[in-house]
Amino acid sequence: DVKVTQSSRYLVKRTGEKVFLECVQDMDHENMFWYRQDPGLGLRLIYFSYDVKMKEKGDIPEGYSVSREKKERFSLILESASTNQTSMYLCASTPLGEVYEQYFGPGTRLTVT
Amino acid sequence: EDQVTQSPEALRLQEGESSSLNCSYTVSGLRGLFWYRQDPGKGPEFLFTLYSAGEEKEKERLKATLTKKESFLHITAPKPEDSATYLCAVLEKTSYDKVIFGPGTSLSVIP
Repeated sequence: DVKVTQSSRYLVKRTGEKVFLECVQDMDHENMFWYRQDPGLGLRLIYFSYDVKMKEKGDIPEGYSVSREKKERFSLILESASTNQTSMYLCASTPLGEVYEQYFGPGTRLTVT
Repeated sequence: EDQVTQSPEALRLQEGESSSLNCSYTVSGLRGLFWYRQDPGKGPEFLFTLYSAGEEKEKERLKATLTKKESFLHITAPKPEDSATYLCAVLEKTSYDKVIFGPGTSLSVIP
């Protein structure tokens, strides 16, 4: 079974803090994705990566950065957390190329106060 | 602009009352359409992939169909455990493995 794990299920941070969210997948997938999910807005893509050290901006990259130093690990970084970044953050992975479904982690619910 | 919409936003059914969820999409060319189920506080779980108009997939009480502009998720004789949010997502031909998700339909099945 594909497994995608995320470092925290719940996280509370203060405005201005630097926040790291980590995602690890164990199926040797090339593609990894970070989404945020908000009520009424659905899943919105923040960043994705198709290889180690490669990254592409998604639809809402502002205020975020990412790091992919190893194939299995994809980190999302909030450089200076703000209250409007309070959300559910979901990581996903897929193999490269063909039309594959995305495998999601359990999510991290981040609250910025 | 490429987009995916879903209707209704929320649906309440009595146990055993069959119904359908709709996903409409406007993309330049479809590589695949996905249905996911999401339980509260969890990540989406994959259900189906559809590739071309006329295709159908089934799993237990769920059946997904695809036309050139929309997909339907039919739920036959639902049970309370089918309660969840159902997400539709499309992968377009010009996209590099990037999918567009719809906002979801929240389904509640009442015993």
